[in-house]
Amino acid sequence: QQQVKQSPQSLIVQKGGIPIINCAYENTAFDYFPWYQQFPGKGPALLIAIRPDVSEKKEGRFTISFNKSAKQFSLHIMDSQPGDSATYFCAASGGTSGTYKYIFGTGTRLKVLA
Amino acid sequence: NAGVTQTPKFRVLKTGQSMTLLCAQDMNHEYMYWYRQDPGMGLRLIHYSVGEGTTAKGEVPDGYNVSRLKKQNFLLGLESAAPSQTSVYFCASSQPQGAVETQYFGPGTRLLVL
Repeated sequence: QQQVKQSPQSLIVQKGGIPIINCAYENTAFDYFPWYQQFPGKGPALLIAIRPDVSEKKEGRFTISFNKSAKQFSLHIMDSQPGDSATYFCAASGGTSGTYKYIFGTGTRLKVLA
Repeated sequence: NAGVTQTPKFRVLKTGQSMTLLCAQDMNHEYMYWYRQDPGMGLRLIHYSVGEGTTAKGEVPDGYNVSRLKKQNFLLGLESAAPSQTSVYFCASSQPQGAVETQYFGPGTRLLVL
């Protein structure tokens, strides 16, 4: 019940395409859903996050869509660029574990072709 | 303002040897975390601390110990290293701020156990 399932494992898109990464969770007590971006040789960094009181959040070219009833959320990258090539992790937290303890997905390696 | 720093960057150990990984943060954050990152498994929480002098177990604590004697430092110890502990270790810190729970990650320590 504590898992966060992320798909796909890897993704290749052309420049300008819209890659979509999906995550699903089981614990209905989760109430914070961040996405982290990691470049090779670096630590992950927060990209965007959402709480379940909204169904969508946009920050620049990055959008989170949230479906509370389906217990799913996804990351969309508009007008993707080669510089977006990185590994993306979704995460979830909340409930009895506390907001600060994340359960991470297994990651999606994105490559954007020039 | 260096953020989160980790020492060392890379280490090779023989089975049975011990070592300590050091994490330091200069953001005055209350919470600190140690994760390990393995291919296809995302980031898994080893131990965490919600304040100076406190520590708690995460998902995968076996074979590791931690200490938080000073607020800015969080140490991860391996008493008797095993090949299964070959991984990239990330430290992170965060400050509880209500709706936002950003974790700031260090650059990682790559550990190889032979």
